Amino acid sequence: LAKTTQPISMDSYEGQEVNITCSHNNIATNDYITWYQQFPSQGPRFIIQGYKTKVTNEVASLFIPADRKSSTLSLPRVSLSDTAVYYCLVVDYNTDKLIFGTGTRLQVFP
Amino acid sequence: NAGVTQTPKFQVLKTGQSMTLQCAQDMNHNSMYWYRQDPGMGLRLIYYSASEGTTDKGEVPNGYNVSRLNKREFSLRLESAAPSQTSVYFCASSEGGGASTDTQYFGPGTRLTVL
Repeated sequence: LAKTTQPISMDSYEGQEVNITCSHNNIATNDYITWYQQFPSQGPRFIIQGYKTKVTNEVASLFIPADRKSSTLSLPRVSLSDTAVYYCLVVDYNTDKLIFGTGTRLQVFP
Repeated sequence: NAGVTQTPKFQVLKTGQSMTLQCAQDMNHNSMYWYRQDPGMGLRLIYYSASEGTTDKGEVPNGYNVSRLNKREFSLRLESAAPSQTSVYFCASSEGGGASTDTQYFGPGTRLTVL
């Protein structure tokens, strides 16, 4: 299965930019990479997705290099409400199954 | 719209007991999914259904069965619960046929403890 690795945790202060990287070594070549946010005791919520290069929406940017072995979620000017766990979601090259990353717990301080 | 609903919210079982987790969505989505999330860990796909009448195994299907009752409902059954199945179970749905481009919408989860 695709091995997806993320930093376990990150700390930041309000107003700073936060970049979270997901390493995925064996993902399907034609599928998208998606990022989700999860608050305690809730289901994950969609943030952004992309195939390659850079994608931006109203809440985040996603950077995907040409080799697609990693992706970086960028949260501009984080606030306290961005404290959550962030997951990447990819498709495994061999099994064609959806695989969530290990998750990164982001703590934002005032 | 309620989105994705799951019942029950909490359940405690003894080893060997059986139970069915219910999931329903009111968004007219084609695909539905069952995930488990163990404490402090990410989500792992158990089963999914790309359309009514079809089901496929995910990453961790052993010990579970599913049933896509109709377009709205997708149930997960534990025939003989084991302590290793203690987890939070999330149901999700997406508009398309399970493609990576689909945005998944998640329910609130069912917290299951097997003693």
